Amino acid sequence: QKEVEQNSGPLSVPEGAIASLNCTYSDRGSQSFFWYRQYSGKSPELIMFIYSNGDKEDGRFTAQLNKASQYVSLLIRDSQPSDSATYLCASPSDSWGKFQFGAGTQVVVTP
Amino acid sequence: DAGITQSPRHKVTETGTPVTLRCHQTENHRYMYWYRQDPGHGLRLIHYSYGVKDTDKGEVSDGYSVSRSKTEDFLLTLESATSSQTSVYFCAISEPSDGQVNTGELFFGEGSRLTVL
Repeated sequence: QKEVEQNSGPLSVPEGAIASLNCTYSDRGSQSFFWYRQYSGKSPELIMFIYSNGDKEDGRFTAQLNKASQYVSLLIRDSQPSDSATYLCASPSDSWGKFQFGAGTQVVVTP
Repeated sequence: DAGITQSPRHKVTETGTPVTLRCHQTENHRYMYWYRQDPGHGLRLIHYSYGVKDTDKGEVSDGYSVSRSKTEDFLLTLESATSSQTSVYFCAISEPSDGQVNTGELFFGEGSRLTVL
């Protein structure tokens, strides 16, 4: 059984600080990883995906992938109250659209 | 906006009754999925479809069936609802990307909150 694991949080972050979220996975064959953001009562929406080792930056978000250690992380720089949400890590299973999701990490940005 | 509509958005039913959730999309996507979301479990795949009358089971398919007679509609049926099926159900579509690495994201509907008493 392929597994994707995350700390559930909540992760409390002061406004303006960096939020660091981690995700580990069990399947060494996993090639790509997705970070979704989900506001309370809403549906998940994609923030970014990464499939190469190293860092990928998109605005205030940076995804980091380390395939040797089997973890992927998401950094949120200059955290804003609007970043308060649950962040889901996901990796595709064997075919399109079949994802293995982590349980999600709740982030709370405090003013 | 991926043009995905779920109905009903909220439903309360009793144990043993049948329930059908509908997912409707307007953009002719081939690939559609039903996920359920529960606290502590994240999103789990129930069933998926790669086209009309082409469906298959996901990891938590027991107690659920699906049908897809038209490209735009993907129905999820609970034949006899149980309290363990109380959950939020999300329909999603995916557009595969080119190449060998799966970079096709999921686009989700608004969700259907089902309570089984």
